[in-house]
Amino acid sequence: AQRVTQPEKLLSVFKGAPVELKCNYSYSGSPELFWYVQYSRQRLQLLLRHISRESIKGFTADLNKGETSFHLKKPFAQEEDSAMYYCALSGGDNYGQNFVFGPGTRLSVLP
Amino acid sequence: GAGVSQSPSNKVTEKGKDVELRCDPISGHTALYWYRQSLGQGLEFLIYFQGNSAPDKSGLPSDRFSAERTGGSVSTLTIQRTQQEDSAVYLCASRRQGLVTQYFGPGTRLLVL
Repeated sequence: AQRVTQPEKLLSVFKGAPVELKCNYSYSGSPELFWYVQYSRQRLQLLLRHISRESIKGFTADLNKGETSFHLKKPFAQEEDSAMYYCALSGGDNYGQNFVFGPGTRLSVLP
Repeated sequence: GAGVSQSPSNKVTEKGKDVELRCDPISGHTALYWYRQSLGQGLEFLIYFQGNSAPDKSGLPSDRFSAERTGGSVSTLTIQRTQQEDSAVYLCASRRQGLVTQYFGPGTRLLVL
């Protein structure tokens, strides 16, 4: 069965420090991995997809199939990065039908 | 254009009452999802609609939960005989066929007293 784990419920870092939000998954095939973000009083929104291999708001995430991980990283955290971050996995041919979210990590960037 | 909308934004009800939550997806999006977001529990998949196909109801937690999607657009999630553990934020998301990005609504915050 598909599963996404995010070991940290809360992560606090100081402004300017590097940040890494961990995500591990279990899936027997070739999944597509995502990071979604929810800022305070805003909707949940897509941050980035592994397939795009892009950097959004300074964040990057590399899919490591050997370690089954998709950690989200940013070299210098900003206060506006404070939010709830969800790692998600899509498996199967129907794209979203087997879409699984992790439990989420709340990132708090301290001044 | 308009995003996904949900109503009501907040709902307070008494244990045992039925509630209906509404979702208006983005026009032209054939896929629609319902999730439940509980404190400390992340997002729990409830049900998925894709066009005219039979919905995937595998995430519904009990037979008190049901959902419909009329005309391939608006969807209603119904919770019968609500229980206190049903208190959560219920999120709806829609997606264009062939693409993977889901667009979320603002959610309905349900409180069962």
